[in-house]
Amino acid sequence: GQQVMQIPQYQHVQEGEDFTTYCNSSTTLSNIQWYKQRPGGHPVFLIQLVKSGEVKKQKRLTFQFGEAKKNSSLHITATQTTDVGTYFCAGPYTGTASKLTFGTGTRLQVTL
Amino acid sequence: NAGVTQTPKFRVLKTGQSMTLLCAQDMNHEYMYWYRQDPGMGLRLIHYSVGEGTTAKGEVPDGYNVSRLKKQNFLLGLESAAPSQTSVYFCASSLVYHTQYFGPGTRLTVL
Repeated sequence: GQQVMQIPQYQHVQEGEDFTTYCNSSTTLSNIQWYKQRPGGHPVFLIQLVKSGEVKKQKRLTFQFGEAKKNSSLHITATQTTDVGTYFCAGPYTGTASKLTFGTGTRLQVTL
Repeated sequence: NAGVTQTPKFRVLKTGQSMTLLCAQDMNHEYMYWYRQDPGMGLRLIHYSVGEGTTAKGEVPDGYNVSRLKKQNFLLGLESAAPSQTSVYFCASSLVYHTQYFGPGTRLTVL
C-alpha cells in the first residue's frame, strides 16, 4: 500500500538554528499537505502544494514539492520556541479523492 | 463557528465496556474522518464518510463501528473495548481537495 515516510523522526535544535524535515512517498502524489501539531494539541493545516517543483513560503517556513511529486520538504529558518511540535506531511490515497495518507511525522524540540 | 467539536474530551473504560464518541462540525463539510494516534506515531484512519448516510473502512477499522445519520455528525462506537484501543482519537472534516480540519481529540484509556 501507499506509504509516506518522514525523516528525521525527531530533532532537537537551539533557538535560532535552522530545521528541515523531509517527506517521501512511495507513489506519485497529486498534491501534498503539511500539518503542525503542538504538544497536547490537534493537527492544524499549514499549506498545500500542487505543482511539480512548487515552492511556497510562510514567513520563516519554506515548503517545497519535488519535481517527481513524490517528495517534499519543510524548512524553518531561525527556529523559535513557538515552532515546537510535530510536523506531518500528507498526500491523497492513490485512486481516491477522499482520503489522506499521513506521514510518520517529525517532532521538533527547540530550546533556548 | 465552533469548527469541529468532539465529545467527550477524556474517558476511562474497563475492558469489555462500550462507548460512543461524538464528532460534530458546523462547516457544512461533506467528508468526515476518524483517526487514532498512538504515542510517537502518526495518524491512522479508522473509518470515514463521504456524505450523509455513507461510511467506509480505513486502515484500522477492526473493533470500531461508525454512523453518519446527519451531515454534521459522525459517531464512532466501540462495542467491546480492549486495552489496545487506548489512544487519542481525532475527528476531522473536509470540504474539497482534502484539506482537513481536526477536532481537539478524545483521550481514551481502556483498563
